[in-house]
Amino acid sequence: DIQMTQSPSSLSASVGDRVTITCRASETISSKLNWYQQKPGKAPKLLIYAASSLQSGVPSRFSGSGSGTVFTLTISSLEPEDFATYFCQQSHSTLYTFGQGTRLEIK
Amino acid sequence: QVQLRESGPGLVRPSETLSLNCTVSGTSISSYYWFWIRQPPGKGLEWIGYTFHTGSSSYNPSLKSRVTISMDTSKNQISLKVTSVTTADTAVYYCAREENLAFDTWGQGTLVTVSS
Repeated sequence: DIQMTQSPSSLSASVGDRVTITCRASETISSKLNWYQQKPGKAPKLLIYAASSLQSGVPSRFSGSGSGTVFTLTISSLEPEDFATYFCQQSHSTLYTFGQGTRLEIK
Repeated sequence: QVQLRESGPGLVRPSETLSLNCTVSGTSISSYYWFWIRQPPGKGLEWIGYTFHTGSSSYNPSLKSRVTISMDTSKNQISLKVTSVTTADTAVYYCAREENLAFDTWGQGTLVTVSS
């Protein structure tokens, strides 16, 4: 199985801050990496697919980068609605594993 | 607008079979891969398996012997069955559509509790 490890596990930040979340794969996954946002009691929402492609309707303050084994999700300027949990997920292997999540909290 | 809605019992007894349906509107299920994903309370996401209209399917090896995913194109529904459930199967169960190798559309999820 390809293991996905996110860092940090939790993060405190303020509105307007720039934040970066990292996801590392246990083996190379090319650019087959997706990012999701999940709010309490809701289903995950796709933000970024194929490492850097912005899903339709997602604000441009979200961006993704990376290839191989290291990927990042960046929020350029936090808005109040961005406080949530973020997951990465690889689709290189048919066993579509997720990272453990990064909880983004208000400082 | 594509919508997915999961339905089924919220409580299942240990050793019994969990059965859920996912009703899809706004698109034909014959056009995409359809997945089931679950999330135990307070924990991360786990891929259960997927199916395609050709009849092909694949399951997470950790669950493979207990899981069946099927499609009913006449009802535009995808179904999930998990046999011999234990408390470890307590989770919110989601169905999701795959496009561009990502899960672009999700149902709202349904909580299934395994308890006697």
